[in-house]
Amino acid sequence: DQQVKQNSPSLSVQEGRISILNCDYTNSMFDYFLWYKKYPAEGPTFLISISSIKDKNEDGRFTVFLNKSAKHLSLHIVPSQPGDSAVYFCAASLLSTGKLIFGQGTTLQVKP
Amino acid sequence: DSGVTQTPKHLITATGQRVTLRCSPRSGDLSVYWYQQSLDQGLQFLIQYYNGEERAKGNILERFSAQQFPDLHSELNLSSLELGDSALYFCASSLGGTNEKLFFGSGTQLSVL
Repeated sequence: DQQVKQNSPSLSVQEGRISILNCDYTNSMFDYFLWYKKYPAEGPTFLISISSIKDKNEDGRFTVFLNKSAKHLSLHIVPSQPGDSAVYFCAASLLSTGKLIFGQGTTLQVKP
Repeated sequence: DSGVTQTPKHLITATGQRVTLRCSPRSGDLSVYWYQQSLDQGLQFLIQYYNGEERAKGNILERFSAQQFPDLHSELNLSSLELGDSALYFCASSLGGTNEKLFFGSGTQLSVL
């Protein structure tokens, strides 16, 4: 049972445009959501997070939106840069536990 | 550099064998997590240790075991290896027992032939 799903395996956008990565989850008890970025031959690195009590969190070019009623979150990158090309994982957790559940990842390619 | 060190980077072994993967967390971090990433799969949570004690368990096979030592480094033991165990194994650490922000190592690529 995949509790966190990223239905788009890949996304290609032009440099300077907006990248929107989507993520759906099934467990309404999740109270914390994160996005990680992964380059080849490296471990995932933390990008941005959001608590379930918020619906938006912004950090520079990165904004995460949370729609709890739809059990959906998205990551917006504006403007997209070639260096943003990587695999993006969304993750969800119950902070009272140690479990952090990841989606399958979306490969973003930003073309110059 | 995340500060999390995993060794070895690559490991090639045969079916039926046993291997040990090692992880040193970031200085000061008390929690260690193990994840498995197979081809076309996301990161599958295996197990978490906090200050030497097992705190959470995911889909970890009975052939796999882990421990966290007093110096907080952790080892993941994989035994009776099968072809399907070939994967990238990541270790991550965090300061506390919850997982607001995990720092990942660069992984150990295990190939079972």
